[in-house]
Amino acid sequence: ILNVEQSPQSLHVQEGDSTNFTCSFPSSNFYALHWYRWETAKSPEALFVMTLNGDEKKKGRISATLNTKEGYSYLYIKGSQPEDSATYLCASNSGGYQKVTFGTGTKLQVIP
Amino acid sequence: DGGITQSPKYLFRKEGQNVTLSCEQNLNHDAMYWYRQDPGQGLRLIYYSQIVNDFQKGDIAEGYSVSREKKESFPLTVTSAQKNPTAFYLCASRPDRFIWDEQFFGPGTRLTVL
Repeated sequence: ILNVEQSPQSLHVQEGDSTNFTCSFPSSNFYALHWYRWETAKSPEALFVMTLNGDEKKKGRISATLNTKEGYSYLYIKGSQPEDSATYLCASNSGGYQKVTFGTGTKLQVIP
Repeated sequence: DGGITQSPKYLFRKEGQNVTLSCEQNLNHDAMYWYRQDPGQGLRLIYYSQIVNDFQKGDIAEGYSVSREKKESFPLTVTSAQKNPTAFYLCASRPDRFIWDEQFFGPGTRLTVL
């Protein structure tokens, strides 16, 4: 079983603060790295997918970077809002084209 | 509306009974997946299927079985051989055209074995 690790496990930030999380994954046999957002009582939804070393993706106040050589990805949230509260999951296809391994997630709570 | 449905949302069973969790998608996706989530753990892959009548074991397949007789459906049976079946189960599908295709998830089924 591949090891995809996320840190921190949970995070509380004040509204307006910027924050970031880390996802580390095996760098060998890498295909793609996905970030998902999972809000309470909803299904996980895709945020980003990155495939190339140095990829950077942005969606509004949220952005992500990818380093496939060292096996890590960062997710950044600028000016956190209460609606950003969710669990953020990363997932890697390092184990194979079809097989996706998820990390344990980072649970973010933004305090108004 | 296109999407993935799982039923029921909550399921209670007595220990020793087999139970089947439903997963249906109308997204015309080729690949389908079953995950299990336990408190403090990530999503762990149970089984996945890339095409009708074919499926592969994931990381924690013991005590589970699946079938893929139709493209739209990927039911999961939790057998009495599964030692700790109480968990939250998520089904997902994926177009499987490109490496970067995302997964689309259903709402999940929470199974409690009494």
